[in-house]
Amino acid sequence: SAVISQKPSRDICQRGTSLTIQCQVDSQVTMMFWYRQQPGQSLTLIATANQGSEATYESGFVIDKFPISRPNLTFSTLTVSNMSPEDSSIYLCSVEEKWGANIQYFGAGTRLSVL
Amino acid sequence: QKEVEQDPGPLSVPEGAIVSLNCTYSNSAFQYFMWYRQYSRKGPELLMYTYSSGNKEDGRFTAQVDKSSKYISLFIRDSQPSDSATYLCAMSGYGGSQGNLIFGKGTKLSVKP
Repeated sequence: SAVISQKPSRDICQRGTSLTIQCQVDSQVTMMFWYRQQPGQSLTLIATANQGSEATYESGFVIDKFPISRPNLTFSTLTVSNMSPEDSSIYLCSVEEKWGANIQYFGAGTRLSVL
Repeated sequence: QKEVEQDPGPLSVPEGAIVSLNCTYSNSAFQYFMWYRQYSRKGPELLMYTYSSGNKEDGRFTAQVDKSSKYISLFIRDSQPSDSATYLCAMSGYGGSQGNLIFGKGTKLSVKP
């Protein structure tokens, strides 16, 4: 399976600031996804990022708060903007290696704490 | 009713026990079923993948899907302390690159030596 690297692995941020999370894959993939994992909650899909097109956001998530870039087939970024303590969570990127199987592989995640 | 229900545990078993982890779901359109294992401070790792109903075995792990009951299970035989992790079920009604995986909350398993 693809090797997925996320940076940073963790961060502590101040309220009102923004953090950009990077996701790098060791092979070219069409689909990349960004999830949020809050304590005691299910993984929740934030958005789907295809190379060369605008990200598709799930209900409850908006581009102004979570802008996403996908400049090529191996890289994506998620920015958490104007952070509040409610944004404290684990953010995960995943990739779908094989089109059609809907099997996703995950990075290690970014643990974000907002003070 | 949530789309996917999973008992969060925690579940504690002695080493060597057979572990049964379960999820129920409400959406009859789900056809793709997955189990992920997530160690502390790590990302989810795909364990098992099943399409439609039936059983699938991989070493000590067996995944079962009963679509008539909307119930999926993961069995771990001869459990080891290294199996201690959170197990997430996930499912989707779509093939192709839809990205619509719906996850359970995860069951935290502890295997005691």
